[in-house]
Amino acid sequence: DQQVKQNSPSLSVQEGRISILNCDYTNSMFDYFLWYKKYPAEGPTFLISISSIKDKNEDGRFTVFLNKSAKHLSLHIVPSQPGDSAVYFCAASTKDFGNEKLTFGTGTRLTIIP
Amino acid sequence: NAGVMQNPRHLVRRRGQEARLRCSPMKGHSHVYWYRQLPEEGLKFMVYLQKENIIDESGMPKERFSAEFPKEGPSILRIQQVVRGDSAAYFCASSPKADGGYTFGSGTRLTVV
Repeated sequence: DQQVKQNSPSLSVQEGRISILNCDYTNSMFDYFLWYKKYPAEGPTFLISISSIKDKNEDGRFTVFLNKSAKHLSLHIVPSQPGDSAVYFCAASTKDFGNEKLTFGTGTRLTIIP
Repeated sequence: NAGVMQNPRHLVRRRGQEARLRCSPMKGHSHVYWYRQLPEEGLKFMVYLQKENIIDESGMPKERFSAEFPKEGPSILRIQQVVRGDSAAYFCASSPKADGGYTFGSGTRLTVV
């Protein structure tokens, strides 16, 4: 039962253009969403998050959009840079007090083409 | 301030042996989470511990797996009688409080031969 889905296993984008990574979820109890970036042989690194009370959160080149009615979120990276090449994981949680257990998607491998 | 330290980075075990994975959280962090990543999959939650307590072990296989986070020392994930299907990357994360946001370690890659 995959509650968080990233349907695109890979994505290639030209340097300088916009990268859009998508994520869908099925559990309506999720109220907090995060994006992580992962390089080979390293642990995931937190990138950006959004609470369900918002529909957009921006941090520099990274913007996350949340569409609750569609149970869909997306990560926009603009402009894309070669160092952005990595696997990106979408994750979700319920803000159950005392336990921030995350449910991860399967990841999207982003390749930025110079 | 060192990050979350996991060791060993790579561990090879023969079927039937025991695997012990260690995680030292960041200084000041008393909450530890273990996740497992099977090949071509996302990370799956295993267990959440605070010092000397298991808070949520809903993701732990019912047999052969155990975890602890003693008052002193690192958190340990123990896998007894390993099988080939246990081959995966095991990640530990720590946080200063229950909803304080995670910092992940670099993982331990377990290979069962």
